[in-house]
Amino acid sequence: DAGVIQSPRHEVTEMGQEVTLRCKPISGHDYLFWYRQTMMRGLELLIYFNNNVPIDDSGMPEDRFSAKMPNASFSTLKIQPSEPRDSAVYFCASSLASTGGFYIQYFGAGTRLSVL
Amino acid sequence: QKEVEQNSGPLSVPEGAIASLNCTYSDRGSQSFFWYRQYSGKSPELIMFIYSNGDKEDGRFTAQLNKASQYVSLLIRDSQPSDSATYLCAVAGNQFYFGTGTSLTVIP
Repeated sequence: DAGVIQSPRHEVTEMGQEVTLRCKPISGHDYLFWYRQTMMRGLELLIYFNNNVPIDDSGMPEDRFSAKMPNASFSTLKIQPSEPRDSAVYFCASSLASTGGFYIQYFGAGTRLSVL
Repeated sequence: QKEVEQNSGPLSVPEGAIASLNCTYSDRGSQSFFWYRQYSGKSPELIMFIYSNGDKEDGRFTAQLNKASQYVSLLIRDSQPSDSATYLCAVAGNQFYFGTGTSLTVIP
């Protein structure tokens, strides 16, 4: 398997622009997670899905952030409008809970977002 | 108080020595504990998990859990330069939290 695939790897945008990050989980995995990592706050869980349904979005910082999972093989994280404080590395991860592996997560390579 | 706390380091050990990485957590209801390794510029990868009090060994790695003290540690024996990375502790209970990580440098 190719692992979790994220795109783009790097994104540079200007404040106020819309940003869309994309993720393809490992085939067959039933959980998908979106994280944000900064030096100050470390790795923060933003939202996770089970079988394409959002389960917990309590980590989403504010209404400017939204996430969707239209099917089992694709998810997006959108920021609109973007702000400089959104600059971070955003990771997508997936897991297979049926074998007790909900927390055994496989991470994508991440998207490094810079908002100028 | 943060849910999961780790010394940020950096921790430096000579090659061949034992590296000891520590983590404390605040939620007494936490049930599962994980250690992820993250190389600079890369994504986290799971290296160990532990659910029960005591020690769990996997090759050169040993995870230790003490739920009464709300403490989990990772020992790396015979440290190698390739072990140089940031080690993230993660704790699962009602929520799933990562610590901010400890940077480890193994000096050849």
